[in-house]
Amino acid sequence: AQSVAQPEDQVKVAEGNPLTVKCTYSVSGNPYLFWYVQYPNRGLQFLLKYITGDNLVKGSYGFEAEFNKSQTSFHLKKPSALVSDSALYFCAVRFTSGGATNKLIFGTGTLLAVQP
Amino acid sequence: GAVVSQHPSRVICKSGTSVKIECRSLDFQATTMFWYRQFPKQSLMLMATSNEGSKATYEQGVEKDKFLINHASLTLSTLTVTSAHPEDSSFYICSARAPASGTTEAFFGQGTRLTVV
Repeated sequence: AQSVAQPEDQVKVAEGNPLTVKCTYSVSGNPYLFWYVQYPNRGLQFLLKYITGDNLVKGSYGFEAEFNKSQTSFHLKKPSALVSDSALYFCAVRFTSGGATNKLIFGTGTLLAVQP
Repeated sequence: GAVVSQHPSRVICKSGTSVKIECRSLDFQATTMFWYRQFPKQSLMLMATSNEGSKATYEQGVEKDKFLINHASLTLSTLTVTSAHPEDSSFYICSARAPASGTTEAFFGQGTRLTVV
């Protein structure tokens, strides 16, 4: 079955320190992987994606993620965290199922708290 | 990036009434839109896939007669929560892709906070 796992409910880092938000996936075939961020009472904003090519993907607001096929991971990273990065982060995988295309399956979300 | 607009952002309704939520793609045509539901501190759960000009495809466990989806044009999909009950209170989010633009990511509306009293 297709699935996405975010093992950490919450990540706390100090401002200026590097941050990592973890994501692992299980999907048949080649995955399309995404990271989204959600601020309170708002929809999701796209951060970055991996489709093919270079395993290191750079996205919005200084975020990047590394696709690791052997570990089936797609961890989100940022070299220097900002307080304004505090939000809920979702990893997602897109797959085709039963003729229905482009379904996005989301992880459970990780709440990032960046402390001043 | 492509813009998806969702309306209203917040609605309070009485138990037993129906509520309609609109999802519009403002600068692109979306043959497919998706409706999600999000409970507090939980992930997004896909409710249904809305296809322009045809019936929506509902996920297992989602009542199609309760959550009516209409996708009458390439820029508008609506979700109607019929005979709403307090347990339907939730955050509803729509999304759409713009395949004609060559992008693969989905764009999301701002979400609708539904409270049934």
